Amino acid sequence: EVQLVESGGGLVQPGRSLRLSCAASGFTFGEYAMHWVRQAPGKGLEWVSGISWNRGSTDYADSVKGRITISRDNAKNSLYLQMHNLRVEDTALYYCAKAPISGDYVWYFDYWGQGTLVTVSS
Amino acid sequence: EIVMTQSPATLSVSPGGRATLSCRASQSVSSNLAWYQQKPGQAPRLLIYGASTRATGIPARFSGSGSGTEFTLTISSLQSEDFAVYYCQQYNNWPSTFGQGTKVEIK
Repeated sequence: EVQLVESGGGLVQPGRSLRLSCAASGFTFGEYAMHWVRQAPGKGLEWVSGISWNRGSTDYADSVKGRITISRDNAKNSLYLQMHNLRVEDTALYYCAKAPISGDYVWYFDYWGQGTLVTVSS
Repeated sequence: EIVMTQSPATLSVSPGGRATLSCRASQSVSSNLAWYQQKPGQAPRLLIYGASTRATGIPARFSGSGSGTEFTLTISSLQSEDFAVYYCQQYNNWPSTFGQGTKVEIK
């Protein structure tokens, strides 16, 4: 059974940093692209960042470019999102999501975690 | 960025009824369109990809159609567990973008 478990969220002041993690199990993690998608409270979904299976490609939404770095450790079956200079508008539930096709860098998602909440407030 | 516009914002349907949800893209996304269902307090669930292919385990009452800029998700014979928010997503162009969602509620 595929499982994605996010952690690392919390309350942080504007301008501070936070690192999110996603622990994956139930599939061969190193063969699939992975993404982060966020959802502000009561709002819709926003794709944030993606990374290919071999770390050869990374992409970011304009809203976070320059402030966020996605990475992965295939040996640890883990995905990360390092966030710097956080803003109030970054407040959201951050989901880790798996791409469905082995070896392909696609941007839709067949499995999602339950999310980790990031609250940016002074 | 491609803007995805869903309509209506809210759809009231009786159990056993049929729901037709629309999604329009601001430019062609070919057939690179996915639909997700999200229930309160839960993560989204993939229903449809490639505009019309049901994801694994998705019941046949869910069907998708369309290509280019106009897409439809149809839920025939709504069950109690189908009342939720539905999102479309284009993955043809960077950045991938979602519609604002359609809430399907009980009439």
